[in-house]
Amino acid sequence: EVQLVESGGDLVQPGGSLRLSCAASGFTFSSYSMNWVRQTPGKGLEWVANIKHDGSDKYHVDSVKGRFIISRDNAKNSVFLQMKGLRAEDAAVYYCARQRYYAFDLWGQGTMVTVSS
Amino acid sequence: DIQMTQSPSTLSASVGDRVTISCRASQSIGSYLAWYQQKPGKAPKLLIYKASSLESGVPSRFSGSGSGTEFTLTISSLQPDDFATYYCQEYNNYVPFTFGPGTKVDVK
Repeated sequence: EVQLVESGGDLVQPGGSLRLSCAASGFTFSSYSMNWVRQTPGKGLEWVANIKHDGSDKYHVDSVKGRFIISRDNAKNSVFLQMKGLRAEDAAVYYCARQRYYAFDLWGQGTMVTVSS
Repeated sequence: DIQMTQSPSTLSASVGDRVTISCRASQSIGSYLAWYQQKPGKAPKLLIYKASSLESGVPSRFSGSGSGTEFTLTISSLQPDDFATYYCQEYNNYVPFTFGPGTKVDVK
């Protein structure tokens, strides 16, 4: 089955760190750029980070630059989001999403990140 | 960065209605626009890419049109499964990708 499964979401204190994982199956993972997208009730959907199919290029939204890093392991069919210096405004459901024709054609079920003391 | 707006924010409709949702970009994005459907507690689902190309498996009652800064998603005959929130998303400059604020289609 073609799917993405996220994990790693948790309750973390402000300033804390968290690593999100996304496991892909059912398709040739190394052929696709991958993304993290987050969603909050107040801000809707927000693109967070992108990584090219071979990991050669990475991009992050300005609000997370210097705090979050996207990475991937094509041998393990996985993409990751290392988050540090978490803030209240980072609290959201985080989705990983496969990219095709620059749109996001396959999404995971999401993993929730809560930032609170 | 490109800003995306959608109208209306909420749309009340009945089964069988023709529904039209608008999306506007702050600058020209050619045809680099996608539409997604999202139901509560679920991930977004791609409906339309490249402004008017129907994603595989999506019913033909969904269609997209437009180019430049003005885009439209049309549902030709609203079905019970179509009550959801719809988002547009641009991908003109590769990154950052920007989503619209969403349009909720609810029962009239």
